[in-house]
Amino acid sequence: EAGVTQFPSHSVIEKGQTVTLRCDPISGHDNLYWYRRVMGKEIKFLLHFVKESKQDESGMPNNRFLAERTGGTYSTLKVQPAELEDSGVYFCASSQGSRVNSPLHFGNGTRLTVT
Amino acid sequence: ELKVEQNPLFLSMQEGKNYTIYCNYSTTSDRLYWYRQDPGKSLESLFVLLSNGAVKQEGRLMASLDTKARLSTLHITAAVHDLSATYFCAVDFGNEKLTFGTGTRLTIIP
Repeated sequence: EAGVTQFPSHSVIEKGQTVTLRCDPISGHDNLYWYRRVMGKEIKFLLHFVKESKQDESGMPNNRFLAERTGGTYSTLKVQPAELEDSGVYFCASSQGSRVNSPLHFGNGTRLTVT
Repeated sequence: ELKVEQNPLFLSMQEGKNYTIYCNYSTTSDRLYWYRQDPGKSLESLFVLLSNGAVKQEGRLMASLDTKARLSTLHITAAVHDLSATYFCAVDFGNEKLTFGTGTRLTIIP
């Protein structure tokens, strides 16, 4: 089975520009998560979709971040306008069921650099 | 506050030596994960620890969980070069998301 796929793998943009990250979860996985690791720090939760609904978006830093999952398949995470502190690696993960007995499968991440 | 502390942040060790990575967490949980990440790659699940006293082993890696002490350890035995990676612990506090430690960058020196 194909794993979790993220595009692009790297993105370098200037402050003030817009970037959209994409995540394709494993087919059939209802749960989709976004996490972020800022340089040298821990990986932090951003938000959680169940199908197309936002279950928990408590980790979203501010309203410059917008996540969508139309149709409950792939998800996008848009940053507009990007700031320097948004630089980091953005991970997507998916799972089939809820927390019990459903391991998380992670993508390779998108490394975002804002200059 | 839900926190996970991992140490050391960096670990450089010689091949053949043993070492331990520690993961402390702030409040009750009965589900802890260890992940490995190679540069530019995804997080690979190593172990899931589900109860107090749980011990799991895979090759040269062994993980344990003490829920009373809120402590997990990842022990490396007779390290070899291909174990070089970043290791993360992550705790499920029952809120449908994982709280990660800062990661330990492990470098094995020949």
